[in-house]
Amino acid sequence: KAGVTQTPRYLIKTRGQQVTLSCSPISGHRSVSWYQQTPGQGLQFLFEYFSETQRNKGNFPGRFSGRQFSNSRSEMNVSTLELGDSALYLCASSLGGVSSYEQYFGPGTRLTVT
Amino acid sequence: GQNIDQPTEMTATEGAIVQINCTYQTSGFNGLFWYQQHAGEAPTFLSYNVLDGLEEKGRFSSFLSRSKGYSYLLLKELQMKDSASYLCAVRGQGGKLIFGQGTELSVKP
Repeated sequence: KAGVTQTPRYLIKTRGQQVTLSCSPISGHRSVSWYQQTPGQGLQFLFEYFSETQRNKGNFPGRFSGRQFSNSRSEMNVSTLELGDSALYLCASSLGGVSSYEQYFGPGTRLTVT
Repeated sequence: GQNIDQPTEMTATEGAIVQINCTYQTSGFNGLFWYQQHAGEAPTFLSYNVLDGLEEKGRFSSFLSRSKGYSYLLLKELQMKDSASYLCAVRGQGGKLIFGQGTELSVKP
């Protein structure tokens, strides 16, 4: 069974630009969560999508948004990029049910904002 | 507020046992997770505790005390490949997963 895939793996953008990251979950998984990882803040929860609906949201500004498609693939968008948005963005998928707890992480997208 | 504390760094010797502690204060509790993350790689799931007690899985065990807001990850028969960051995470109210900063474990020969 293929794992979680994320594209692109690396990205360099300029301040003020916007970026879209993509995540394809493991086949059959309906929940996709997004995280930002930086050396100073560690892993921080951005949001979770389940069956095309945002189920949970972290404490990030509105510049960070996401969506999920009917095939469970998810995209994350960051508008008006700031230098502090440079980070590793990880997505994780799970079955999403009440008793489902194990999340599988993708390799991440390394975003550098200059 | 929500807070998860774990030591920043630990060092241990190959073949030894190491215990990584995690204390938490969160809004609601729906389980505690341990993940392993090697440098430059994605986190991988190690264990999940939702009830008090010890969960054993091979060389790795995880303990939870909900009344004390405390967990530990026990690694036995340490191997060099166990050198990694170990992340404690709590699923709080609403199902959000909150991570600690991680403990960087170095295993020396």
